[in-house]
Amino acid sequence: EAQVTQNPRYLITVTGKKLTVTCSQNMNHEYMSWYRQDPGLGLRQIYYSMNVEVTDKGDVPEGYKVSRKEKRNFPLILESPSPNQTSLYFCASSGSTGGNDYGYTFGSGTRLTVV
Amino acid sequence: AQKVTQAQTEISVVEKEDVTLDCVYETRDTTYYLFWYKQPPSGELVFLIRRNSFDEQNEISGRYSWNFQKSTSSFNFTITASQVVDSAVYFCALSEPSVGNQFYFGTGTSLTVIP
Repeated sequence: EAQVTQNPRYLITVTGKKLTVTCSQNMNHEYMSWYRQDPGLGLRQIYYSMNVEVTDKGDVPEGYKVSRKEKRNFPLILESPSPNQTSLYFCASSGSTGGNDYGYTFGSGTRLTVV
Repeated sequence: AQKVTQAQTEISVVEKEDVTLDCVYETRDTTYYLFWYKQPPSGELVFLIRRNSFDEQNEISGRYSWNFQKSTSSFNFTITASQVVDSAVYFCALSEPSVGNQFYFGTGTSLTVIP
């Protein structure tokens, strides 16, 4: 089954404790992206990657890191999480730049709480 | 400025009523793509439709229909004979291939269908 797999689904952590949210897709997609969803703000892009070793900032990159060492994986790293990073996070992939073919395929989401 | 505006934050309708979700976008590009996504209470994001800027033909898929009007920069979504299962948050999105491969989401419209 074609899918984007994110882990974990739920995570509660403390301020300053480094964490990684994993994202993996099995569709051989070149384009991957991370979004956060907050009430009243919709989804905002954090980082995106057009291919292996190619990443770029989205609208809200501060406090996040990403890496794209393999085509299928695109982890999101919070080096020192803060409470304002409490949010619902989505990983997405697409077979073409910016999701222009049939849109993105999204992961199931990761609900992160930073206390 | 917001690239994608969904002015309706919340809508409630009684089952079997028709409902239209509005989406207004802003772009200077001649080539762009528009999308609608559905987010049911379970939280996942489900792709509904993609439209490119050169195709203004309206589309119907079962009870769903989309009205794309470049003259008013609108891409509205109508659900005919609404059902309880249509209750969800609906997001409109814009992609501008020429501008950093970003994908802009509206803030979403929460639709509640009352039985």
